[in-house]
Amino acid sequence: QQQVKQSPQSLIVQKGGISIINCAYENTAFDYFPWYQQFPGKGPALLIAIRPDVSEKKEGRFTISFNKSAKQFSLHIMDSQPGDSATYFCAASGAGNMLTFGGGTRLMVKP
Amino acid sequence: DVKVTQSSRYLVKRTGEKVFLECVQDMDHENMFWYRQDPGLGLRLIYFSYDVKMKEKGDIPEGYSVSREKKERFSLILESASTNQTSMYLCASSLNPSGPFYEQYFGPGTRLTVT
Repeated sequence: QQQVKQSPQSLIVQKGGISIINCAYENTAFDYFPWYQQFPGKGPALLIAIRPDVSEKKEGRFTISFNKSAKQFSLHIMDSQPGDSATYFCAASGAGNMLTFGGGTRLMVKP
Repeated sequence: DVKVTQSSRYLVKRTGEKVFLECVQDMDHENMFWYRQDPGLGLRLIYFSYDVKMKEKGDIPEGYSVSREKKERFSLILESASTNQTSMYLCASSLNPSGPFYEQYFGPGTRLTVT
């Protein structure tokens, strides 16, 4: 039973386009929603994170949109670059720093 | 620069063998975690530890055990390896969650194949 559902599993975007990855969660006790980025041969690394008291957070080309009533959040990558090609994981956490991860999205940005 | 290191990048073991995966962090973090990563399933928590000699089961602890004798070191043990434990294993660490920051720092992973 996956508490955080992520889609799509894979995504191909042209350079300069917008990449959008969506996640939905069940547990209303979750209060922290990070996104991790993983390059081949490396462990995941924190990319950006949001708390449910805001609806959007932007860091450079990366934006998280959060919809508390729908229990959904998404990652938008503007002006996608080949260097953004990686696997992206959404996650959710409640008390105790226990992260529940989505299934991952493999993003390929074509030059 | 923060660092989490894992003892092996690739490991091949036979069914029934006892397997040790080692993880060391140099950030003086209280929390340490072991995950397995499988395609389509994301990262699933096996065990975590919030202090030396303390451990808690995660979502999929069956067939695994852990040891944390020192703050910087967290070991994952497969008591009797089976083919369904073939996977990528990731170790992570984080500060005590009583603060506002929840970032987990990951090692590069160990790809374990059980034949």
